[in-house]
Amino acid sequence: AQSVAQPEDQVNVAEGNPLTVKCTYSVSGNPYLFWYVQYPNRGLQFLLKYITGDNLVKGSYGFEAEFNKSQTSFHLKKPSALVSDSALYFCAVRRPGGGKLIFGQGTELSVKP
Amino acid sequence: DVKVTQSSRYLVKRTGEKVFLECVQDMDHENMFWYRQDPGLGLRLIYFSYDVKMKEKGDIPEGYSVSREKKERFSLILESASTNQTSMYLCASSLETGYNSPLHFGNGTRLTVT
Repeated sequence: AQSVAQPEDQVNVAEGNPLTVKCTYSVSGNPYLFWYVQYPNRGLQFLLKYITGDNLVKGSYGFEAEFNKSQTSFHLKKPSALVSDSALYFCAVRRPGGGKLIFGQGTELSVKP
Repeated sequence: DVKVTQSSRYLVKRTGEKVFLECVQDMDHENMFWYRQDPGLGLRLIYFSYDVKMKEKGDIPEGYSVSREKKERFSLILESASTNQTSMYLCASSLETGYNSPLHFGNGTRLTVT
């Protein structure tokens, strides 16, 4: 069975510092991996995805994520955090060939000035 | 940009009422989904549809049904609302082409059942 875990419920970062939001997955074969962001009182917005190719994927708003097959991880990163990055972040995985998109439980990112 | 519109932002209903949550997308997407979002549980799939009049159960379909009479509209129905269905409900759509198409979400409906 496929699953995804976000080990941190909350991440606190000072503005200007680098941020990392962690995600690990379990799926047979090569996964399709996604990151979404949810701002308060809004739906989820797509940030980036990994399907194949370069392990470092760049997405919206300066975010990037690194696919690590040996560690089965897909951590979200940004070199310099902004207060406006404060939001709820979801990692999601889908197995190749179809199947449902499985979401992690979410990580609350708080960036303080 | 894709727009997914959920008809109500907030709803308050009484136990036992029949509740309709409506969702419309404007990009001719084949796939549509209903999720519920609860703190600490992430998003859980209730039902999805990959074509008009087609539906598939997700992970938590009990107590819910859906209707897709037109391609752009996907309705979630709570036949007899219960307090444990108090939640945030999110509708999403995606293209049919390939399994790497991202989901486009509406802003959600926060349902309270009293």
